[in-house]
Amino acid sequence: DGGITQSPKYLFRKEGQNVTLSCEQNLNHDAMYWYRQDPGQGLRLIYYSQIVNDFQKGDIAEGYSVSREKKESFPLTVTSAQKNPTAFYLCASSTSRRGDWGYTFGSGTRLTVV
Amino acid sequence: EDKVVQSPLSLVVHEGDTVTLNCSYEVTNFRSLLWYKQEKKAPTFLFMLTSSGIEKKSGRLSSILDKKELSSILNITATQTGDSAIYLCAVERGYGGATNKLIFGTGTLLAVQP
Repeated sequence: DGGITQSPKYLFRKEGQNVTLSCEQNLNHDAMYWYRQDPGQGLRLIYYSQIVNDFQKGDIAEGYSVSREKKESFPLTVTSAQKNPTAFYLCASSTSRRGDWGYTFGSGTRLTVV
Repeated sequence: EDKVVQSPLSLVVHEGDTVTLNCSYEVTNFRSLLWYKQEKKAPTFLFMLTSSGIEKKSGRLSSILDKKELSSILNITATQTGDSAIYLCAVERGYGGATNKLIFGTGTLLAVQP
């Protein structure tokens, strides 16, 4: 079955550590996205990528980094510069062809700073 | 600045009630409005509304887009406990070409009591 796989489901980070969240899709989608969700807030866009080897900052990119070396993969690194990283992280993908548009979400990773 | 606002933020009803969730938006170059249901993890797609499709219905759920008022409503009739979830409204903004980014509202938390 096609879909998006995020791992791990739960992640604990110590202060000052970098951690990387995985996102893999087998939908042959061109575009991939990372969102952050805090309690009482909607999804906020961190980074997005329309094609391999290209990505753009979203609304809250500070303290995060991404790479898009393969079409299927869009890992997100939460760096020590991100001061409040505890949140629920959702990865999504979409085809960029107009008329065939749709978002598919992964199951999310819950990151907690300890 | 692009903005999507949902109301109410939370709602508690009893089984069998009818609920109406609201979404208003101020987004440059509007393309479409989407509704998602988020239970525990990944949001699941409900409806997509565009200028050419301003009313959608699926079972007990229906949604209308009012482009003049820049708003949408999501109706759920004969609510069931399984309808308990966060309902997210998102607006697709066009940036030219094939780019499509979603701007999410804060969500409405619906709790349906037996």
